[in-house]
Amino acid sequence: GESVGLHLPTLSVQEGDNSIINCAYSNSASDYFIWYKQESGKGPQFIIDIRSNMDKRQGQRVTVLLNKTVKHLSLQIAATQPGDSAVYFCAENIQGAQKLVFGQGTRLTINP
Amino acid sequence: DAGITQSPRHKVTETGTPVTLRCHQTENHRYMYWYRQDPGHGLRLIHYSYGVKDTDKGEVSDGYSVSRSKTEDFLLTLESATSSQTSVYFCAISAGQGVYGYTFGSGTRLTVV
Repeated sequence: GESVGLHLPTLSVQEGDNSIINCAYSNSASDYFIWYKQESGKGPQFIIDIRSNMDKRQGQRVTVLLNKTVKHLSLQIAATQPGDSAVYFCAENIQGAQKLVFGQGTRLTINP
Repeated sequence: DAGITQSPRHKVTETGTPVTLRCHQTENHRYMYWYRQDPGHGLRLIHYSYGVKDTDKGEVSDGYSVSRSKTEDFLLTLESATSSQTSVYFCAISAGQGVYGYTFGSGTRLTVV
């Protein structure tokens, strides 16, 4: 099975609140991690990435945190907006492999 | 998506017929991938290519074949379509492993009746 998974399959938040989407991985040889967003009817889109020599990386309204001690990855979305509604996937690159391993995805819904 | 196109976007075919899906890129990326996406299974890798004529199997390769005769095109063929191959198929490209992420196409929705 896949080594990347998610704690929650669905997440519902109020508009304007912060969202936190979690991901667990099991392969200590993973050296690169990516978060993707997939809107209905579209392909996954790159959001943000982080390398294993970092523990935090920020983008516009998004932050990725990496805790290698417990093999945990999270995506934080600040001031969640209706346009953030989507399925979010984490993916890991295992050092030496030629392909990413994807998690199952978390569906984020925004309540008005 | 910029630099990667999939065709067709939608297709309905009958069981037992051959089907070819095409992925075309203009980014000159070395790596190309075919995934299928089904409810409850997420993205599953079918086949991938790491160069012209260089391909390898993914986790769900049975019933599928691929070809890459030039950098820009990666074809996925279902030799004899079955209902279990009804799915959304995504192509992805990457400039390198462990350095860059993937760029995905918009997908092909295939229905086998």
